[in-house]
Amino acid sequence: DAMVIQNPRYQVTQFGKPVTLSCSQTLNHNVMYWYQQKSSQAPKLLFHYYDKDFNNEADTPDNFQSRRPNTSFCFLDIRSPGLGDAAMYLCATSRGGAQETQYFGPGTRLLVL
Amino acid sequence: AQSVTQPDIHITVSEGASLELRCNYSYGATPYLFWYVQSPGQGLQLLLKYFSGDTLVQGIKGFEAEFKRSQSSFNLRKPSVHWSDAAEYFCAVGARAAGNKLTFGGGTRVLVKP
Repeated sequence: DAMVIQNPRYQVTQFGKPVTLSCSQTLNHNVMYWYQQKSSQAPKLLFHYYDKDFNNEADTPDNFQSRRPNTSFCFLDIRSPGLGDAAMYLCATSRGGAQETQYFGPGTRLLVL
Repeated sequence: AQSVTQPDIHITVSEGASLELRCNYSYGATPYLFWYVQSPGQGLQLLLKYFSGDTLVQGIKGFEAEFKRSQSSFNLRKPSVHWSDAAEYFCAVGARAAGNKLTFGGGTRVLVKP
């Protein structure tokens, strides 16, 4: 039944050690989004893919990269995690279009030691 | 640019009482409006959305919301709250002018007293 799957649900990494978070979808949606959500805050969009077209937000640090090898999968790479990158990372998908619902995964909680 | 304001950071309500969460938006044209709910440690789930037609929108879990253009508001209501409604609620605006991306309000945390 799961439509947007994120792995792992919890990730612990060390300061400066690269980490990759995974998202997959069974909805065949065109658009996949990555959000960062810190405690008691709204989700903040990092970037999104419309099919193979990558769209980066202007204020997303270079430390954050993404890959979408096919329709179903999208990855978030954090090249050198800092303590400030500890957060919940949410993946979402939609058909595209401002009126379309975004379907969110359960999130990956990242802890940086 | 569009923006969304949720004036209440926290609301505490007794189980069985009614609930209303406020949302005000700023956008030049008719926006696409959404309410999402987030349970602790989980992703967001859509409760309801509005983009045209009847201004009173019914959603899941017994929630409804009313779009009032004159007040730039899209308030969420539930007549009788259940303990399982304790969560964070986000109002959001989708706009073509913003590249079809969602702009979220800051969220309202709802606590339910027995």
